[in-house]
Amino acid sequence: NAGVMQNPRHLVRRRGQEARLRCSPMKGHSHVYWYRQLPEEGLKFMVYLQKENIIDESGMPKERFSAEFPKEGPSILRIQQVVRGDSAAYFCASSPLPGGARFSGNTIYFGEGSWLTVV
Amino acid sequence: AQSVAQPEDQVNVAEGNPLTVKCTYSVSGNPYLFWYVQYPNRGLQFLLKYITGDNLVKGSYGFEAEFNKSQTSFHLKKPSALVSDSALYFCAVRETGTASKLTFGTGTRLQVTL
Repeated sequence: NAGVMQNPRHLVRRRGQEARLRCSPMKGHSHVYWYRQLPEEGLKFMVYLQKENIIDESGMPKERFSAEFPKEGPSILRIQQVVRGDSAAYFCASSPLPGGARFSGNTIYFGEGSWLTVV
Repeated sequence: AQSVAQPEDQVNVAEGNPLTVKCTYSVSGNPYLFWYVQYPNRGLQFLLKYITGDNLVKGSYGFEAEFNKSQTSFHLKKPSALVSDSALYFCAVRETGTASKLTFGTGTRLQVTL
């Protein structure tokens, strides 16, 4: 059973370009989370999605960042007009069941991350 | 709001000695607590979790954690450290409710030396 798959693993973009990060959840998982890890810092929640629906985007910057999880295909985190401060590791995670009190004990599994460098 | 505190940026221990990585939490409802480990340039690997039941939880690689409700703590422990345990350890709390994201602590770097 393959784990959470992220690509690309490493991405270099010039300032002003777009970065597109992809995430395929574990088989049978329908819920995806995106986190960002800045150098020497912890993980910051960005967005929580299920297929065709954004559940919680409270951690997403107001501008330039967007996320989707279509009915078919991987989840995409898109960063438009990247700036140097966007350089970070972006981690995707998935869980097998919806959120809510009953299922909050389900483990969230992480991918290996996508390292974005903006030059 | 839920939060996690890891008071130590780094913990140093000699191989063969017991190790403890501290974690305290704040949550309004029932806490669902997790420990993850991160090796350099890698993703987070799940170690163990507390949902309910026995306060002592056993996980991967010989790690265990003790849930203490009165002290709102969930410290990670291992009886005998290995050099290969050197990594970054994150404690996390899962919020109840619709948006059940994980809230992480800032991480503790464990350094195990010979």
